[in-house]
Amino acid sequence: NAGVMQNPRHLVRRRGQEARLRCSPMKGHSHVYWYRQLPEEGLKFMVYLQKENIIDESGMPKERFSAEFPKEGPSILRIQQVVRGDSAAYFCASSPFGSRTDTQYFGPGTRLTVL
Amino acid sequence: LAKTTQPISMDSYEGQEVNITCSHNNIATNDYITWYQQFPSQGPRFIIQGYKTKVTNEVASLFIPADRKSSTLSLPRVSLSDTAVYYCLVGEGTGTASKLTFGTGTRLQVTL
Repeated sequence: NAGVMQNPRHLVRRRGQEARLRCSPMKGHSHVYWYRQLPEEGLKFMVYLQKENIIDESGMPKERFSAEFPKEGPSILRIQQVVRGDSAAYFCASSPFGSRTDTQYFGPGTRLTVL
Repeated sequence: LAKTTQPISMDSYEGQEVNITCSHNNIATNDYITWYQQFPSQGPRFIIQGYKTKVTNEVASLFIPADRKSSTLSLPRVSLSDTAVYYCLVGEGTGTASKLTFGTGTRLQVTL
């Protein structure tokens, strides 16, 4: 049973470009969470999704960031017009049930570097 | 919203018991408290979860007082491989202001 998969593991973008981060949850899991971790800092909640629904996006920046979890395929975190401050590790996690504090299983992360 | 706070760092010798406390005085009523371990350049790894009183598994214990405003992760006999950052995760606040929040993290250093 494969764990949570994230790709790419490392992503380099120039300022103004778009970044797309993908997350494939564990088999049988229908809930996905995205977190951001700035260098030498803790994890900050961004968004919580169920298939085809955004449940809680209270941690998402109001502009340039969006997330989706389609019926088929991975969850996507999209950052438009990236800036240097977006450089961070982005982790996704999945859980099998609907309670937001159910046990979450984390992927290895995508490290985004904005030049 | 009140911040979910932890001690920044702790040091321990191998074989000792380590207790790490997380203060979450604005925890949401129905949410569980979960603890994770994170090694450098890796995603967090689940350790233990509880709602109230005491929970024990093969690697740790979790103590939660009746008011649930704090929780303590107990690692019984640490080894060098337990050197990592430990985070609590709770839901904070109520209603539409409620938010999933990681604690500030505790960096545990285990030495011989």
